Amino acid sequence: NAGVTQTPKFQVLKTGQSMTLQCAQDMNHEYMSWYRQDPGMGLRLIHYSVGAGITDQGEVPNGYNVSRSTTEDFPLRLLSAAPSQTSVYFCASSFRTASSTDTQYFGPGTRLTVL
Amino acid sequence: AQSVTQLGSHVSVSEGALVLLRCNYSSSVPPYLFWYVQYPNQGLQLLLKYTTGATLVKGINGFEAEFKKSETSFHLTKPSAHMSDAAEYFCAVRKATGGFKTIFGAGTRLFVKA
Repeated sequence: NAGVTQTPKFQVLKTGQSMTLQCAQDMNHEYMSWYRQDPGMGLRLIHYSVGAGITDQGEVPNGYNVSRSTTEDFPLRLLSAAPSQTSVYFCASSFRTASSTDTQYFGPGTRLTVL
Repeated sequence: AQSVTQLGSHVSVSEGALVLLRCNYSSSVPPYLFWYVQYPNQGLQLLLKYTTGATLVKGINGFEAEFKKSETSFHLTKPSAHMSDAAEYFCAVRKATGGFKTIFGAGTRLFVKA
């Protein structure tokens, strides 16, 4: 098992550019989520999905779009990048959504800089 | 609403000394509580979690935490620090009554001195 994989590891964008952060998991997990990590603020939930075709907003969804066409993949799209989106982005997955005790598995992160 | 407060953004201990990382939570419903560790340039890894039952929870790498409802605390401890414990540690809370949204604390960076 590769677990949760994220690409790219690093990315530099100019203000206004768009891009997609990729996330994939090979554990057949139902639940996937995107977080951003900023210094002194912990991790904040951007969007999440409870299964293929179902997504919902987290704490800080503005400026980001997601879709979930397959169980394995959960890409995060920045439509028009802004400097405030400079952050480290983590994708996570867990097996079931019905049980809130399930462990989340995190990817290695994507470090994004918007100039 | 739920929230997590980690006391101390940085903690420094000597190798072999006790590690104590503090976490207090606020939750209107019974919580599930988690500690995660993040090593440099890596994602988060679960150390331990409290769901139900025994309030003293043992995790990986010799860490443990005790859920104290009366104090709304879930402090993380390890009797003897090792150089490899240097990392950032996150406390997190999730509603036990359903749902999966996890609220993370701001994190505590642990430094271990030789």
